[in-house]
Amino acid sequence: DTAVSQTPKYLVTQMGNDKSIKCEQNLGHDTMYWYKQDSKKFLKIMFSYNNKELIINETVPNRFSPKSPDKAHLNLHINSLELGDSAVYFCASSPRTGVYGYTFGSGTRLTVV
Amino acid sequence: GENVEQHPSTLSVQEGDSAVIKCTYSDSASNYFPWYKQELGKRPQLIIDIRSNVGEKKDQRIAVTLNKTAKHFSLHITETQPEDSAVYFCAASRGGSQGNLIFGKGTKLSVKP
Repeated sequence: DTAVSQTPKYLVTQMGNDKSIKCEQNLGHDTMYWYKQDSKKFLKIMFSYNNKELIINETVPNRFSPKSPDKAHLNLHINSLELGDSAVYFCASSPRTGVYGYTFGSGTRLTVV
Repeated sequence: GENVEQHPSTLSVQEGDSAVIKCTYSDSASNYFPWYKQELGKRPQLIIDIRSNVGEKKDQRIAVTLNKTAKHFSLHITETQPEDSAVYFCAASRGGSQGNLIFGKGTKLSVKP
């Protein structure tokens, strides 16, 4: 039974399109995150949600819009996709904000052509 | 904000040797330091963590040390095996509502049989 699941696993799309990535966790965690991993493997925080409320929004273009319908789900919608958006996007969750380890989803490899 | 530096970026060792990866952090308020292992094409997985009230922690062949005064922490892997080959990430968090993990840039460890 997967703890943090993301769909889709792979996403290939053309520049200018709009796409969504879904994330669900069944761990009962309060906090969920989106991280972007670029081609050099660098993991960078994009958003953090605690109990459906946005608590961290790093300097991410406003083409990226997260939505959390409930504390078990955190989706990521991307408008007007650009070549530079190509990366692996990881969803993660933790029991609460603060000093807790994260459980990561399996990632979504987004390729913009 | 927090900045985490990680060295080396690549590390190659012979099977059975020890491997050491070092990280420094900038925010003296950081108090949680996890380490993640990411195998090729997989998700990052938590392997060990340490909190600021502890100087060292061991789990079988892996250990982590923390020097809060110098603001650095290290991962030690003894008796390395080929299955230890992966990218290792250190991270730091200050806890609280802004307690998202800030990751180092990763170390690619190769263990040669």
